[in-house]
Amino acid sequence: QKEVEQNSGPLSVPEGAIASLNCTYSDRGSQSFFWYRQYSGKSPELIMSIYSNGDKEDGRFTAQLNKASQYVSLLIRDSQPSDSATYLCAVTGHSNSGYALNFGKGTSLLVTP
Amino acid sequence: DADVTQTPRNRITKTGKRIMLECSQTKGHDRMYWYRQDPGLGLRLIYYSFDVKDINKGEISDGYSVSRQAQAKFSLSLESAIPNQTALYFCATSDPGQGYGYTFGSGTRLTVV
Repeated sequence: QKEVEQNSGPLSVPEGAIASLNCTYSDRGSQSFFWYRQYSGKSPELIMSIYSNGDKEDGRFTAQLNKASQYVSLLIRDSQPSDSATYLCAVTGHSNSGYALNFGKGTSLLVTP
Repeated sequence: DADVTQTPRNRITKTGKRIMLECSQTKGHDRMYWYRQDPGLGLRLIYYSFDVKDINKGEISDGYSVSRQAQAKFSLSLESAIPNQTALYFCATSDPGQGYGYTFGSGTRLTVV
């Protein structure tokens, strides 16, 4: 079983601060990496994807990937109370599993006003 | 209309009953997936399909079956429901041209009593 590990949290940050979410994965063959946001009782919503080493920025979100260390992170700048949710890290598996995504269990983020 | 539609949204059923969860999509994607989500266990893959003739088991397929009636329709059946199948079920589609990132349906909350 290929694993994706996340700290379950909760991670609590004050409004306006930077939230840093981390994820490690075990399958060195993984090629695509995703961050999803999930509000309680709702479906996951894709917020970032990253495929190569380095940083990728989209608005207040920055995804960082280090394949050598098998590590992917998500930074949320100027955190808002509406960012309070569970953040899921997802990683593609091998071709023999059809590149189906393996998900971490999620990190709960709480942004306090 | 949503890109990926799941029905029903909520269902309560009795132990031993057969139940079908339905998923339809308008994105034109070939790849479709069924996951279940349980507190503390995250999202786990039940079945996935690349087209109507290509269906594959995921990590937790026991007790479930699927049918791919058309490119747009992928149904999940519980042949004889048991209480530990109580969970939130998600259907998803993916596009290889977008790195296999998923679009999720709204989910079906299933309770087996």
